[in-house]
Amino acid sequence: AQRVTQPEKLLSVFKGAPVELKCNYSYSGSPELFWYVQYSRQRLQLLLRHISRESIKGFTADLNKGETSFHLKKPFAQEEDSAMYYCALTGTGRRALTFGSGTRLQVQP
Amino acid sequence: ETGVTQSPTHLIKTRGQQVTLRCSSQSGHNTVSWYQQALGQGPQFIFQYYREEENGRGNFPPRFSGLQFPNYSSELNVNALELDDSALYLCASSLAGTSYEQYFGPGTRLTVT
Repeated sequence: AQRVTQPEKLLSVFKGAPVELKCNYSYSGSPELFWYVQYSRQRLQLLLRHISRESIKGFTADLNKGETSFHLKKPFAQEEDSAMYYCALTGTGRRALTFGSGTRLQVQP
Repeated sequence: ETGVTQSPTHLIKTRGQQVTLRCSSQSGHNTVSWYQQALGQGPQFIFQYYREEENGRGNFPPRFSGLQFPNYSSELNVNALELDDSALYLCASSLAGTSYEQYFGPGTRLTVT
């Protein structure tokens, strides 16, 4: 069975502070990991995927297979980063996305 | 380019009734996935349709069924509604082979009383 765990429901930081949203997963094969984001009054959208190794809006995420983690990081938070963040994985067949329960990031001025 | 649309936006049903939710794919997408999102939880995969056939299913009972039409739009049907079916239902479209990059609709909020 595959599972994604996001231990924090809410993460509150001040503008300019570093951000780390935690994600741990369990999967027996080789998963693909993603971060999806939902801004206020907008639909869920893909932020980044581990294979691309890109930095999107200043966010990066590194897949650590030893620790089965895929934490999302940003060195300096901005107020516009406030949103709901979901970590997700897809396994063999690459069909279904398995989501974590989400972390709400609140960036205060 | 037209995004994913869903109808209706909100729906209230009584326990035991049946409901049909509708989804139009993003232009050019041939795969549709449905997710159930309970309050405070992440989306949970119900099933996926490709070329009008079910192409994968999550841990949902058979009273959750679906259809995909030749124009790639899709329906989610739920029979014998239960109180626990109250949730936000999300539709996502994608291109076959790139199912990870799913484009989500705004969702239909179903309340079962």
